[in-house]
Amino acid sequence: DAGVIQSPRHEVTEMGQEVTLRCKPISGHNSLFWYRQTMMRGLELLIYFNNNVPIDDSGMPEDRFSAKMPNASFSTLKIQPSEPRDSAVYFCASSPEGLLGYTFGSGTRLTVV
Amino acid sequence: AQTVTQSQPEMSVQEAETVTLSCTYDTSESDYYLFWYKQPPSRQMILVIRQEAYKQQNATENRFSVNFQKAAKSFSLKISDSQLGDAAMYFCAYYGNRDDKIIFGKGTRLHILP
Repeated sequence: DAGVIQSPRHEVTEMGQEVTLRCKPISGHNSLFWYRQTMMRGLELLIYFNNNVPIDDSGMPEDRFSAKMPNASFSTLKIQPSEPRDSAVYFCASSPEGLLGYTFGSGTRLTVV
Repeated sequence: AQTVTQSQPEMSVQEAETVTLSCTYDTSESDYYLFWYKQPPSRQMILVIRQEAYKQQNATENRFSVNFQKAAKSFSLKISDSQLGDAAMYFCAYYGNRDDKIIFGKGTRLHILP
């Protein structure tokens, strides 16, 4: 298995632009998680899905952030419009069951200038 | 709510020595799972070790072992024979059925001194 696949690995964009981050979970994993990591705030859970349904989006910072999971093999995290304070590493993770732990993707480093 | 506390933001250890990273957690659940994740400079999050709360035996994975003290709600990670490749941020994490999601501590950055 190729693991959790995220794209792009790096993204540099101008303030005000729309950014879309992509994630392909491990086949058979029915839970998917989006995290944001910064030096100041550490790892923050933004949203998670169970069987493609959003379960908890309380970590989404504001309406500029949205996430979708149209099928079991694909999810997107969109920021529109982007702001410099959105600069961070965004991780996607998947799991067959939380008690087994999560498998993380390699992350997308987003820089908004 | 469940919380995970890592009280050591940074630690250093001499190569080949042993180091212990501390973690405490707060929960009212009796059945749960604990994890240590490693994040090296490559930023990939890697699961190092997993402990089931109902098991008294401490989990081990090669040079990595834990000291799980359920009554004290303590879950420390011991790294034996430290190697340069062990330099990383280490996250302690908790999973319980109530929240149905893993809760991470803020991490401990480990430096390995050659």
